[in-house]
Amino acid sequence: DGGITQSPKYLFRKEGQNVTLSCEQNLNHDAMYWYRQDPGQGLRLIYYSQIVNDFQKGDIAEGYSVSREKKESFPLTVTSAQKNPTAFYLCASSIEGYTGELFFGEGSRLTVL
Amino acid sequence: QKEVEQDPGPLSVPEGAIVSLNCTYSNSAFQYFMWYRQYSRKGPELLMYTYSSGNKEDGRFTAQVDKSSKYISLFIRDSQPSDSATYLCAGGYSSASKIIFGSGTRLSIRP
Repeated sequence: DGGITQSPKYLFRKEGQNVTLSCEQNLNHDAMYWYRQDPGQGLRLIYYSQIVNDFQKGDIAEGYSVSREKKESFPLTVTSAQKNPTAFYLCASSIEGYTGELFFGEGSRLTVL
Repeated sequence: QKEVEQDPGPLSVPEGAIVSLNCTYSNSAFQYFMWYRQYSRKGPELLMYTYSSGNKEDGRFTAQVDKSSKYISLFIRDSQPSDSATYLCAGGYSSASKIIFGSGTRLSIRP
């Protein structure tokens, strides 16, 4: 079955540690995205990538970093510079140029203690 | 002001009722509008997609967009307990990176 796989589903880290969230897709989509979801707020775009080896900052990129070395993979690193990292992180993909459906993974919940 | 405003609820209705979910938006550039459904601890899934103004029907679901008043609606007929979820409205333009989401309305259907 085609889809997006995020791991880990739940993650606990101490303050000051960097954390990397994995996102893999087998939909053959060119574009991939990372969103952050907090209670009472809509999904906010962190980073997106429209093609391998290229990515752009979204609305809340500070304290995060990404890479796109393969079409299938778009990992997100939450660095120690992110002031409030505890959140639900969602990875998504879409057909590039198609202004329609985003396909989401099941999310990763990060709790920083 | 948020670009997409949505009442967070929670909204609780009895099984079989008609549900009306609404959003307003402020960005005149929006060309397409979506409703996503998100079950607890899961990722959102696209429920309805509408380009520009008008109505779109899919089974028990009807999406309406009124660009003159910047109003987006989702109607659910014959609501079922399995419809209990958070519903996110969204508007967008130019590319998927320009999609703006509302904060979501939590809906509960009582058996």
